[in-house]
Amino acid sequence: AQRVTQPEKLLSVFKGAPVELKCNYSYSGSPELFWYVQYSRQRLQLLLRHISRESIKGFTADLNKGETSFHLKKPFAQEEDSAMYYCAWETSGSRLTFGEGTQLTVNP
Amino acid sequence: GAVVSQHPSWVICKSGTSVKIECRSLDFQATTMFWYRQFPKQSLMLMATSNEGSKATYEQGVEKDKFLINHASLTLSTLTVTSAHPEDSSFYICSTGGPSTDTQYFGPGTRLTVL
Repeated sequence: AQRVTQPEKLLSVFKGAPVELKCNYSYSGSPELFWYVQYSRQRLQLLLRHISRESIKGFTADLNKGETSFHLKKPFAQEEDSAMYYCAWETSGSRLTFGEGTQLTVNP
Repeated sequence: GAVVSQHPSWVICKSGTSVKIECRSLDFQATTMFWYRQFPKQSLMLMATSNEGSKATYEQGVEKDKFLINHASLTLSTLTVTSAHPEDSSFYICSTGGPSTDTQYFGPGTRLTVL
């Protein structure tokens, strides 16, 4: 089945350290991939989309078709980055399939 | 972006009763809204796509007679959980597309607890 996988449920880093949240997909074509973030007690919101190749809050994500990955990276993590991060794949009709999510904790 | 609200934010009901959850797009006319369900410590699972003026499209495994969706206007979609049972207890979240078609805007969610 076509899906996205986030192998790490929990990820903990120290402030200022690099962080990488992994996302792998299984799809034979060119997927539309997104990263969504949910801060504590807030609603889910878009962080970035692969098609725009933008950097939001210092985060970047590159689509690697060879490795079928869309890992989210930030060179220097901040405490305010602590949140739940979801990789998502858009199918027909703008329907989103979410990965299992990774809870990132950035320690002071 | 678009602002999406849900009502109620939480509800507790007895087993066998029906519960209606509203999803409103406050500043954007949404022809399409989406309903998700999230069990504790799990990811969001798409339940159905709500289409204004037509029938909702349900994902595989979702009972359309149990989860009734009505999208009567461009700003309101409702999800009714009929004959609720404890296993229906979950966090229900709606989303809508906004001015940018490849972005979804999410509501704050509704916590349903069925006793």
